[in-house]
Amino acid sequence: DSGVTQTPKHLITATGQRVTLRCSPRSGDLSVYWYQQSLDQGLQFLIQYYNGEERAKGNILERFSAQQFPDLHSELNLSSLELGDSALYFCASSVASAPQGGELFFGEGSRLTVL
Amino acid sequence: SQQGEEDPQALSIQEGENATMNCSYKTSINNLQWYRQNSGRGLVHLILIRSNEREKHSGRLRVTLDTSKKSSSLLITASRAADTASYFCATVPRMDSSYKLIFGSGTRLLVRP
Repeated sequence: DSGVTQTPKHLITATGQRVTLRCSPRSGDLSVYWYQQSLDQGLQFLIQYYNGEERAKGNILERFSAQQFPDLHSELNLSSLELGDSALYFCASSVASAPQGGELFFGEGSRLTVL
Repeated sequence: SQQGEEDPQALSIQEGENATMNCSYKTSINNLQWYRQNSGRGLVHLILIRSNEREKHSGRLRVTLDTSKKSSSLLITASRAADTASYFCATVPRMDSSYKLIFGSGTRLLVRP
């Protein structure tokens, strides 16, 4: 158990819909990272927050947005969903402000299926 | 875009044999990390090696880093069936204000009992 909690574990929805994925980091970790894992694209970095502030942005679509709240939990919002958005979405956390400071702890992921 | 590329993409060995996976990356790095992922599960950190280190050990794992060749290798000695998983290298590019940990495409390891 990494200490990172992601909900929901599984989600099935239709094209055009909007979903919210939630992540609670390990106790004491200030950094939260979001990754998307699909068969054809591999693990893609989406975005990182540190103590409520956005620190780095990767290949995150404009239809996607994220935020980190004062209690440090984070949410990833996916809107106008397309079939290609079907993937495993991972949240990770770390105590360091940046990944060069140390390891990331990953949650078990949220599996999104868009029909 | 992927920063690291693992080689081979898939590896099948007998229990007790050693498994070697290689990772090549494109730009200068702060550190390189190896992660393991059981099918459909979250990634688990195995080992971190900094750019000024050449070799690191952790239990049955041995990681080497050659910054001149921009490559790293992960050796698992005396493999077990429970080592069956995908293994990813991940790098932190040495760029201004870079906070990204970028993963390679992974090596799928199958250890046959």
